[in-house]
Amino acid sequence: SAVISQKPSRDICQRGTSLTIQCQVDSQVTMMFWYRQQPGQSLTLIATANQGSEATYESGFVIDKFPISRPNLTFSTLTVSNMSPEDSSIYLCSVGGGGQWGTEAFFGQGTRLTVV
Amino acid sequence: AQSVTQLGSHVSVSEGALVLLRCNYSSSVPPYLFWYVQYPNQGLQLLLKYTSAATLVKGINGFEAEFKKSETSFHLTKPSAHMSDAAEYFCAVSGRDYKLSFGAGTTVTVRA
Repeated sequence: SAVISQKPSRDICQRGTSLTIQCQVDSQVTMMFWYRQQPGQSLTLIATANQGSEATYESGFVIDKFPISRPNLTFSTLTVSNMSPEDSSIYLCSVGGGGQWGTEAFFGQGTRLTVV
Repeated sequence: AQSVTQLGSHVSVSEGALVLLRCNYSSSVPPYLFWYVQYPNQGLQLLLKYTSAATLVKGINGFEAEFKKSETSFHLTKPSAHMSDAAEYFCAVSGRDYKLSFGAGTTVTVRA
């Protein structure tokens, strides 16, 4: 299994500002994923972040709003830019995708973001 | 593309009773299917997964699920509910790209 640490665990931010969420994994992984869970709803994939390449965004998510970095095989960041109250969600980092992970995905504890 | 539909957003059971959570999937390729549990203010924990091996899958905490291709279903069951089973349960599907598509979730409450 993987141990995934996310920082911060929660934050309250002013609208118009940006927040960068960090995801640290205790072993090297090829594929990392960022998901969003809006209040009372299910999880939606934002993007896939593979080391050495640009992140791939899902429909409805754009790089200007959610820039992602993946500088090495154990770390990634997701920035939520120019925030509005609609961005209030839980953001989760996930790793997995073949190899040592098999088919299983592991999740961090999430970052609970409130935008006021 | 893959997707899942969870039938019933809320399920209430008595302690000791059967827990049955329904999930139907749609997939253009042989799917990987998962059930996750989320306790309040926590991340996701994998209960069990189907990856084309045995159709009856046993997971943690006494849960199991059966893959039925003819019905495109992957329902989750537990013979006897415990108070600690109160949580949100998500069914999810992925293809070979390992991107998860989640169902809307089912909230389980357990009555004493």
